Amino acid sequence: GQNIDQPTEMTATEGAIVQINCTYQTSGFNGLFWYQQHAGEAPTFLSYNVLDGLEEKGRFSSFLSRSKGYSYLLLKELQMKDSASYLCAVIDSNYQLIWGAGTKLIIKP
Amino acid sequence: IAGITQAPTSQILAAGRRMTLRCTQDMRHNAMYWYRQDLGLGLRLIHYSNTAGTTGKGEVPDGYSVSRANTDDFPLTLASAVPSQTSVYFCASSDSGTSGTDEQFFGPGTRLTVL
Repeated sequence: GQNIDQPTEMTATEGAIVQINCTYQTSGFNGLFWYQQHAGEAPTFLSYNVLDGLEEKGRFSSFLSRSKGYSYLLLKELQMKDSASYLCAVIDSNYQLIWGAGTKLIIKP
Repeated sequence: IAGITQAPTSQILAAGRRMTLRCTQDMRHNAMYWYRQDLGLGLRLIHYSNTAGTTGKGEVPDGYSVSRANTDDFPLTLASAVPSQTSVYFCASSDSGTSGTDEQFFGPGTRLTVL
């Protein structure tokens, strides 16, 4: 079966750095997304990786290793507004999007 | 303002009733999707449409039906609601359906409770 694993919940301090990991076992791979979802709101796009390596976008970076079935989202200079759930999603060989359950990130002052 | 709208925002429904959730996008996207999101689970695809006039089944299609008469609208119908269909429903769209590599834009969601 297809599976995406993310930690259920993480806690970090304002101003710090946090890394949210995602491992996947899917039938094929055609890319990986990270989305942010604030409580009670819709998911919004953060990043897309299809090649190995690090993609940096401001305070957020996303890393992919296809050989290891692994990605992480790195958030720097954490702000209170970064408190949200972070969803990892993989495009499989049929171009279907498989979603992880999400990681709830709690930022403390 | 371009985007996706969903209606209603929330609804309480008696079991056995028929209900249609509405979704409209004005971005001229080819592909549209319906997901349900339950606590502790990832988004699960109910139905999708890669282009107007075509639809397909997702991971959890039973009890739901969709239609795609035009590019903008993608309604989701529950023919006879059951309590297990209590969930938050998100509609989404993307520019290209078959490639699957375009980001999806989500509507604000409909919170449905079936009693």
